[in-house]
Amino acid sequence: DIHMTQSPSSLSASVGDRVTITCRASQSISRFLNWYQQRPGKAPKLLIYSASSLQSGVPSRFSGSGSGTDFTLTISSLQPEDFAAYFCQQSHSTPYTFGQGTKLEIK
Amino acid sequence: QVQLVQSGAEVKKSGASVKVSCKVSGYTFTRYDLNWVRQATGQGLEWLGWMSPNSGNTGYAQKFQGRVTMTRNTSISTAYMELSGLRSEDTAVYYCARISSSGWYYYFDYWGQGTLVTVSS
Repeated sequence: DIHMTQSPSSLSASVGDRVTITCRASQSISRFLNWYQQRPGKAPKLLIYSASSLQSGVPSRFSGSGSGTDFTLTISSLQPEDFAAYFCQQSHSTPYTFGQGTKLEIK
Repeated sequence: QVQLVQSGAEVKKSGASVKVSCKVSGYTFTRYDLNWVRQATGQGLEWLGWMSPNSGNTGYAQKFQGRVTMTRNTSISTAYMELSGLRSEDTAVYYCARISSSGWYYYFDYWGQGTLVTVSS
């Protein structure tokens, strides 16, 4: 199975800040990497697919980059509604696996 | 609009089985595979497997082989996930998720609201 490691596991930031979350795969996954946002008590929501493609309807302050084993999710200017948990997920091969998550909190 | 609506919360005894449903609307049921993902409280996301509503073909994570069964009823656009031999570690919110693709790139673009399954001894 491909193991996905996210860092940091939690992050405190302020509205307007630029934040970056990192995801590392245990083996090369090309660009088969997706990012999701999850608010408390809600289902995950797709933000980015194939490492850098923005899902329809997602604000442009979200961006993704990377290939191979190292990936990043960047939020350019945090808004109040962005404080949530973020997960990466590999779709290179089954079993599909997720990172353990990054909880983004208000400073 | 696309919607995946799941059945309500369940409380089960250890050793029992649970069957969760996922009714879809807003698109042709047989055109997209459905996956099941679970999340224990405060924990990460764990993939259980996938099913093709068109063919009925399935693929399960090895961890759940022999315990999970995914089926569908195309006449009512509903998918089902049954997990047997429940133990306390199976207590989690179970999600169905539609999988879409852009070329060879697959992603979960729509999710159900989740079904809490609680296993008690």
